[in-house]
Amino acid sequence: DAMVIQNPRYQVTQFGKPVTLSCSQTLNHNVMYWYQQKSSQAPKLLFHYYDKDFNNEADTPDNFQSRRPNTSFCFLDIRSPGLGDAAMYLCATSRLPPGTNTEAFFGQGTRLTVV
Amino acid sequence: GNSVTQMEGPVTLSEEAFLTINCTYTATGYPSLFWYVQYPGEGLQLLLKATKADDKGSNKGFEATYRKETTSFHLEKGSVQVSDSAVYFCALTNAGKSTFGDGTTLTVKP
Repeated sequence: DAMVIQNPRYQVTQFGKPVTLSCSQTLNHNVMYWYQQKSSQAPKLLFHYYDKDFNNEADTPDNFQSRRPNTSFCFLDIRSPGLGDAAMYLCATSRLPPGTNTEAFFGQGTRLTVV
Repeated sequence: GNSVTQMEGPVTLSEEAFLTINCTYTATGYPSLFWYVQYPGEGLQLLLKATKADDKGSNKGFEATYRKETTSFHLEKGSVQVSDSAVYFCALTNAGKSTFGDGTTLTVKP
């Protein structure tokens, strides 16, 4: 029944060791988002894909990259995780014909710990 | 730009008390407005939404009305339950991008 699935739920990585978080969706939505959320603060948008078009937020560090090989999957790559990158990472999807403002559907999140 | 300001928390209520969580926004154009709820260790779940002025969103006893004149979208519930304890986020979506408030933590005590 899950529509936006994030794996794994919990990820521990070493300082500086590349890590990849994954997200898949069964909704066939054209937009996929990655958010970073620290300590129940407001989720912060890192980037999103509108179909195949990648849109990076201006203040997203270069350390964060993303790939979307097809409609259903999207990956977040952290090239060299630092202690400050420990957070909950949320994937979301939305169906967005031009000019609309529909809601986002969120996955359960991946909690990343950096040791 | 777009911004969302939420009533600061945390909020602690007794079961069956009335709940209001204030939310005001700043946006250009015609955003849609949402309330999301987040339980501990979970992602965000859509609670309710309103897409145009004077629309009322409602779900599970929660309500919020899109007030363009006061740029507000306050969340209300007449009688809260212990199971309503969570973090509540007010959000707007404009031109396809979402902006969230800082969240309000609600704790309901039996």
